[in-house]
Amino acid sequence: DTEVTQTPKHLVMGMTNKKSLKCEQHMGHRAMYWYKQKAKKPPELMFVYSYEKLSINESVPSRFSPECPNSSLLNLHLHALQPEDSALYLCASSQIGGPAGNEQFFGPGTRLTVL
Amino acid sequence: GNSVTQMEGPVTLSEEAFLTINCTYTATGYPSLFWYVQYPGEGLQLLLKATKADDKGSNKGFEATYRKETTSFHLEKGSVQVSDSAVYFCALSELANDYKLSFGAGTTVTVRA
Repeated sequence: DTEVTQTPKHLVMGMTNKKSLKCEQHMGHRAMYWYKQKAKKPPELMFVYSYEKLSINESVPSRFSPECPNSSLLNLHLHALQPEDSALYLCASSQIGGPAGNEQFFGPGTRLTVL
Repeated sequence: GNSVTQMEGPVTLSEEAFLTINCTYTATGYPSLFWYVQYPGEGLQLLLKATKADDKGSNKGFEATYRKETTSFHLEKGSVQVSDSAVYFCALSELANDYKLSFGAGTTVTVRA
C-alpha cells in the first residue's frame, strides 16, 4: 500500500467553528508532514512529525494545531480560522534518513474554505 | 541554505510538441532532486527523481538528468499529450535541511489538442 489518505476531501467552515483534518498512511513511514498550498503555488511546510516528535514552522499561527496519535495517523485541528486560511491542505509521509528515504508521498489534499 | 529556481511559465504547447522546463538549484551538500506533478484538483505526485550526479530519472516519457556541474535538473518530454496539462514542481532535499523539501515556484503547462 503506497497511498496516503486524507479526509474530508472538501470542508467549508465558519470562522467560529472547530474542525479537524485527518491523514493516514500504511507504508511504515516515520515522518509525516502538513503543508498548506494556495492555487498554483508550491506547498508551504507547516508541521513535521519525525518519530512522533513535532517540528513547527514558526510562522504558522496557533489556530492550527497538529496531533500525531501514532506513527500512521496525523490530524490537524482547526479553530477560529480566517478567510485567508482557505487553501488546499496536503499531508505527506516519508521514511527518514538516506537519499532513498527522503522521497515524500503526498495525499490528495483537503480543500478548505473559510467563510 | 538551499533553493530551487524554475521557469514559471505558463507554458502552452500543442500536442506532440517538445516540452522542456528548466530547473536549477543551490544546496549546501549533495541533495536528492525531484520533479512532482499536480493535475487539476489533485495532490502532488512524484514524477521522477535522481539521487546522485549523472543519474537520469524517467517516468511516463519524462526525463531529467542530475547535472552537478551546472546544478541543474531540467525536465523534458519529447511528445506531450493533452493529459500532461498540469503544474510541475522541481524540488530538492538534503541532510543539512533535515530532508525537508524545497520547492521551485511551479510551472503551469497547458497542452492543446
